[in-house]
Amino acid sequence: EAGVAQSPRYKIIEKRQSVAFWCNPISGHATLYWYQQILGQGPKLLIQFQNNGVVDDSQLPKDRFSAERLKGVDSTLKIQPAKLEDSAVYLCASSLAEDTQYFGPGTRLTVL
Amino acid sequence: AQSVTQPDIHITVSEGASLELRCNYSYGATPYLFWYVQSPGQGLQLLLKYFSGDTLVQGIKGFEAEFKRSQSSFNLRKPSVHWSDAAEYFCAVGSNDYKLSFGAGTTVTVRA
Repeated sequence: EAGVAQSPRYKIIEKRQSVAFWCNPISGHATLYWYQQILGQGPKLLIQFQNNGVVDDSQLPKDRFSAERLKGVDSTLKIQPAKLEDSAVYLCASSLAEDTQYFGPGTRLTVL
Repeated sequence: AQSVTQPDIHITVSEGASLELRCNYSYGATPYLFWYVQSPGQGLQLLLKYFSGDTLVQGIKGFEAEFKRSQSSFNLRKPSVHWSDAAEYFCAVGSNDYKLSFGAGTTVTVRA
């Protein structure tokens, strides 16, 4: 069974630029999560989707971050404009029936 | 709201020696508890989980964890570590809606 796929694996941008990350969850997993992991910290939930609807986006900085999950499968997370403090690893996870989450390899973002 | 404390930021252990990683959680109801491992440049891999039942949980790679409600702990153990166990380990607690809160992680270094 294929795992959670994410791209790109690495991204370097200048502050105030925009960036987008892509996630393809495990086939059949209805729930999809985006996490931000700052160096030296544990992952922090940004947004949770159930199929193509948002369940929780309370921790998403909506002035600059947006996410969508069209057709209830793939998802994209966008940052516009990026700030220095957005440098982190962005992890996507998916789960079946909301119990165990399976994580992708992450996208490491560096904002200069 | 739930939270997790991993008291040890960094542990160094000799190959073949035993390993114990501490995890304390705060949650008002019966928690769902997880241990994940993250190798450099990789996403999080699930080691084991506790939902209910036997408080001693067996996981992959020879790891086990014990849930102690009286101590609000879910410590991870391995009797004999291998060099490949060098990684960062995260404890997480899940709420009734399966949202995860992660600890800050413990980095394990294995010396020959």
